[in-house]
Amino acid sequence: TQLLEQSPQFLSIQEGENLTVYCNSSSVFSSLQWYRQEPGEGPVLLVTVVTGGEVKKLKRLTFQFGDARKDSSLHITAAQPGDTGLYLCAGALVDSSYKLIFGSGTRLLVRP
Amino acid sequence: DAMVIQNPRYQVTQFGKPVTLSCSQTLNHNVMYWYQQKSSQAPKLLFHYYDKDFNNEADTPDNFQSRRPNTSFCFLDIRSPGLGDAAMYLCATSRRTTTNEKLFFGSGTQLSVL
Repeated sequence: TQLLEQSPQFLSIQEGENLTVYCNSSSVFSSLQWYRQEPGEGPVLLVTVVTGGEVKKLKRLTFQFGDARKDSSLHITAAQPGDTGLYLCAGALVDSSYKLIFGSGTRLLVRP
Repeated sequence: DAMVIQNPRYQVTQFGKPVTLSCSQTLNHNVMYWYQQKSSQAPKLLFHYYDKDFNNEADTPDNFQSRRPNTSFCFLDIRSPGLGDAAMYLCATSRRTTTNEKLFFGSGTQLSVL
């Protein structure tokens, strides 16, 4: 059973388009992190959200944590080829703070 | 400069032949983790060390062992690799085991089992 469901699994878009990736769960998380992983590399942390309803911006990336802390979204404005990669959400369960539960990822391809 | 270094980047082993993957860190972090990531799947935590304290996940097979001889190094030993153990193995570190801690990942070791 996948605790964290990410959608879509794959996304292929043209440079300049906008997109949103979703991360959903029935569990409550203390915090949620978003990572980007490029082929042959380890994941790199993009952002951590902690408070329900929190919105964080990182240049063209906007991250939101759901009010109930069960879901999150990542919105990319005017996608660039450099945004290509695997986007992973990872949540810390309320009762097990050290253990990050990873979603299965959204593989994004931005075509020039 | 790389802060979490995994060697080798690619490892090929034979079915049943023991293999060791290594991880080193220059961050002086207390916690080191080993994750297994199969193609198109989420990274799955195998175990972690908080200093010298070893914490095994309940569903990690006995075939997987780990050693942490000092703060900087951590090893993953697969005693008898099966075809199903072919995966990317990711090492990560963090300062502590609290909710908001950032994990620093190495580039991974891609293991193939023939």
